[in-house]
Amino acid sequence: QKEVEQDPGPLSVPEGAIVSLNCTYSNSAFQYFMWYRQYSRKGPELLMYTYSSGNKEDGRFTAQVDKSSKYISLFIRDSQPSDSATYLCAMSRAAGNKLTFGGGTRVLVKP
Amino acid sequence: GAVVSQHPSRVICKSGTSVKIECRSLDFQATTMFWYRQFPKQSLMLMATSNEGSKATYEQGVEKDKFLINHASLTLSTLTVTSAHPEDSSFYICSAQRGGEDTQYFGPGTRLTVL
Repeated sequence: QKEVEQDPGPLSVPEGAIVSLNCTYSNSAFQYFMWYRQYSRKGPELLMYTYSSGNKEDGRFTAQVDKSSKYISLFIRDSQPSDSATYLCAMSRAAGNKLTFGGGTRVLVKP
Repeated sequence: GAVVSQHPSRVICKSGTSVKIECRSLDFQATTMFWYRQFPKQSLMLMATSNEGSKATYEQGVEKDKFLINHASLTLSTLTVTSAHPEDSSFYICSAQRGGEDTQYFGPGTRLTVL
């Protein structure tokens, strides 16, 4: 079993819809949680960064962490075709430690 | 900002040759740099962690003699794939981390094709 599980998709939504992404993990030692966006043949771009449990909002993006359930989520409101990409969750045990990535979910936002 | 560049963006080489990939942090000093490889439609797999001025720490299963990593300065790390073979063809991505910070900033990646 992988340490971090993420549905590969693809997740197809119409423009304007809410995109809901999530990851589950098995290691309770993870404390720092990140979401990255990766366009095809490009490097990942950091979207959201959270520490421990709770919610964080940044523009159209909301990240949620539920450590008791070992479950993290990313919501994208008012989705745009430009949001079409692969979204990777990542987590680490301590600040500055190496990241463990989920497999990524491919998202398609149709105009 | 926190910009990381990689060079080259794409390289094609013959089997048996060595290829060097550069990773630079353009507007900050990176005390730690990471090297990943990514196969098509798969996630990033960490290969090694390098700290400026010290030897890299390789992940289990990664051959340190095949993937040579040098982190000579606070803004430059290099990955050399020695005696490359077709199975080394992949997308190689570096990331850089500022001292005292948690987040990693990724480069745009280098696509290596070994014929």
